Amino acid sequence: GENVEQHPSTLSVQEGDSAVIKCTYSDSASNYFPWYKQELGKRPQLIIDIRSNVGEKKDQRIAVTLNKTAKHFSLHITETQPEDSAVYFCAASIGRLTFGTGTRLTIIP
Amino acid sequence: NAGVTQTPKFRILKIGQSMTLQCTQDMNHNYMYWYRQDPGMGLKLIYYSVGAGITDKGEVPNGYNVSRSTTEDFPLRLELAAPSQTSVYFCASKGTGKRETQYFGPGTRLLVL
Repeated sequence: GENVEQHPSTLSVQEGDSAVIKCTYSDSASNYFPWYKQELGKRPQLIIDIRSNVGEKKDQRIAVTLNKTAKHFSLHITETQPEDSAVYFCAASIGRLTFGTGTRLTIIP
Repeated sequence: NAGVTQTPKFRILKIGQSMTLQCTQDMNHNYMYWYRQDPGMGLKLIYYSVGAGITDKGEVPNGYNVSRSTTEDFPLRLELAAPSQTSVYFCASKGTGKRETQYFGPGTRLLVL
């Protein structure tokens, strides 16, 4: 089955700086890659997603890039704000989602 | 729309007890999923369903059972609770078509003592 690895497990950045979280996947048939944000005690919420026929997608301060050849994809958050502090999960899908283990992002004021 | 709802929010079980976690969605989604999330970890798929009457095992199905008699409901049954089943359980649903977004319920926190 699919295996998704996510790095780093924790990340601290100064407010206003950029944050990058990286994921790799094992199954070249995966064709859908969502990113979820989970605040403490809350449900995961989709923040951005990308399909395998697209290399990059941007939504305001959030962007995702996909390299199908290398089988990795990344989340980029620019101009970070305190409310960006949360756990972020990547996932890869061949019909069913396989999640990474999460990155705890802390924004330092 | 209420989206995906789950009950109860929190439950304490004794070892060997049984319980059913309820999940309901009002978005007419065909696909429904049950995940568990252990502390500091990602989500592991327990069972899923592609439509009423159809269910299949995910990554960690042992100790659980599901049924899908209607499109709206997808209950998860624990028959003999064990401490290893202490976790947060999330139900999710998604529709068909190009958008594959899974929408999650608020979760059920289960403690087995």
